[in-house]
Amino acid sequence: QKEVEQNSGPLSVPEGAIASLNCTYSDRGSQSFFWYRQYSGKSPELIMFIYSNGDKEDGRFTAQLNKASQYVSLLIRDSQPSDSATYLCGGTTDSWGKLQFGAGTQVVVTP
Amino acid sequence: NAGVTQTPKFQVLKTGQSMTLQCAQDMNHNSMYWYRQDPGMGLRLIYYSASEGTTDKGEVPNGYNVSRLNKREFSLRLESAAPSQTSVYFCASSEERGNNEQFFGPGTRLTVL
Repeated sequence: QKEVEQNSGPLSVPEGAIASLNCTYSDRGSQSFFWYRQYSGKSPELIMFIYSNGDKEDGRFTAQLNKASQYVSLLIRDSQPSDSATYLCGGTTDSWGKLQFGAGTQVVVTP
Repeated sequence: NAGVTQTPKFQVLKTGQSMTLQCAQDMNHNSMYWYRQDPGMGLRLIYYSASEGTTDKGEVPNGYNVSRLNKREFSLRLESAAPSQTSVYFCASSEERGNNEQFFGPGTRLTVL
């Protein structure tokens, strides 16, 4: 059983709308979470990380963490066609800090 | 500053052949990682190296070996390739153990026939 779960999508979002991506995790010991964006055929690149409960904003991106409910989400405001990609959620699995990733959610922004 | 580099970019092997995937980083990072990515599976950790001279198994280590040659280089070896090892392999690095801001290389697409 995968410890980090994401809906695979595709999530279709009109240009200018908000894309909402969710990630749930089973290990209550997970401390920090990372969102990576991966364009088709390319390598993952870090968008945001979040350690504390609540919201964290960076430009058009907002990460939300709720440790009691064991979910983390990513909101993309004013979605652009360039946001079309697969978004990977990663959570730490042990005190060392190794990451376990979900399978990724594909986002398609339509003009 | 090239970041994380990997060679080769593409490789086709026959079952039973061996090969080594090379990875190097020029960011003076202490920790390095090897992942494989399969459709619908996300990234799975094969091996990692917290620092020069140390290596440890990740989630899916069977069929692989690694060498942390020095601080810059971390190689992944397939001794006897199997079709189940067909995948895209990514190397990554981070400043230190526990710092999960990992930087990824461009990947190696491996096909085992």
